[in-house]
Amino acid sequence: KAGVTQTPRYLIKTRGQQVTLSCSPISGHRSVSWYQQTPGQGLQFLFEYFSETQRNKGNFPGRFSGRQFSNSRSEMNVSTLELGDSALYLCASRRTGRSEAFFGQGTRLTVV
Amino acid sequence: GESVGLHLPTLSVQEGDNSIINCAYSNSASDYFIWYKQESGKGPQFIIDIRSNMDKRQGQRVTVLLNKTVKHLSLQIAATQPGDSAVYFCAESGDTPLVFGKGTRLSVIA
Repeated sequence: KAGVTQTPRYLIKTRGQQVTLSCSPISGHRSVSWYQQTPGQGLQFLFEYFSETQRNKGNFPGRFSGRQFSNSRSEMNVSTLELGDSALYLCASRRTGRSEAFFGQGTRLTVV
Repeated sequence: GESVGLHLPTLSVQEGDNSIINCAYSNSASDYFIWYKQESGKGPQFIIDIRSNMDKRQGQRVTVLLNKTVKHLSLQIAATQPGDSAVYFCAESGDTPLVFGKGTRLSVIA
């Protein structure tokens, strides 16, 4: 059974640009969550999607957005990139709301 | 406790000894808890979970203990091996997304 797949693995962007990250969950998992991981703040929740609907949202500015498609694949978008957006972005899929979350390898975003 | 930047709480253990990693959670309404292991350059990997109707759960070489009275979770690793070296996170949830603790870095001394 394939795990959670995130693409791309690495990205370098310039301040002011925008970026789109992709996540393919485990087959059969309908919940996809996104997290930002930085050395200073640890793992912080961005948002969660379930059956194409955003179910929860973390405390991030509106520059961070996401969506989920009918096949459960998810994308997150960050517009007007800032240096502080440099982080490891992790996607996790869950079968239901109260089951273990399985993480992808993450996308390492560097903003210069 | 609090950790900032690379200054995660660190636990150094001799190979073959048992490790105990502790975590305090914040939300008394949380009813589901998970321990994750994260190796350098990888995403967090599920280790073991426990629901609030239990106070202990065992896996292969790992045991999780839950004390709801003081909102404390611990992960015990038996016969710690070099491959156990990683950052360990606890996570809590109820009818909410998973919320992660800051993590503890486990270093195994061969």
